[in-house]
Amino acid sequence: SAVISQKPSRDICQRGTSLTIQCQVDSQVTMMFWYRQQPGQSLTLIATANQGSEATYESGFVIDKFPISRPNLTFSTLTVSNMSPEDSSIYLCSVAGQYNEQFFGPGTRLTVL
Amino acid sequence: EDKVVQSPLSLVVHEGDTVTLNCSYEVTNFRSLLWYKQEKKAPTFLFMLTSSGIEKKSGRLSSILDKKELFSILNITATQTGDSAVYLCAVEAGDSWGKLQFGAGTQVVVTP
Repeated sequence: SAVISQKPSRDICQRGTSLTIQCQVDSQVTMMFWYRQQPGQSLTLIATANQGSEATYESGFVIDKFPISRPNLTFSTLTVSNMSPEDSSIYLCSVAGQYNEQFFGPGTRLTVL
Repeated sequence: EDKVVQSPLSLVVHEGDTVTLNCSYEVTNFRSLLWYKQEKKAPTFLFMLTSSGIEKKSGRLSSILDKKELFSILNITATQTGDSAVYLCAVEAGDSWGKLQFGAGTQVVVTP
């Protein structure tokens, strides 16, 4: 399986600011995904990051709040904009493997004060 | 509306016990069911099941899918304290490839 890294591992931010999370994969992958896991909850898909085109967002998530970049087949970023305490979550990127199974990065734990 | 339901939500067992976790689903255009183990932040992939009745095994863990009754089970035999984690079930379904819908998870605590 691909080796996935995320930066930062954790951060504490002030409300109203923005944070950009990076996801790097050690091999080229077609499909990359961004998930959110709020405290005590399960994972929810935010969007599919498409290389060369705009991300595809799930219901309840919008580009202005969670802009995503996918400049090449090994890298993607997710920005959490104008943060509020409700954005405190673990943010995870994942990539699809050979059989469409998904492998997750180590996650970014975000706390918004 | 698509649903993925896991049971029980949590359980506590002693080392050496066998654990059976359940995942039922109601989705449109089912493609696969996946199991993950989550200890800290990142879910670790365990199994992907696409065909009914074929058991997947890895060491003390095994899983099977019943596409007729729309459920899967994950078994852990001879449990160890290192098996303590949240076990997540996810289903890939719908019109978009790769979109996973997760259940709420089962918290397993293995006591010495």
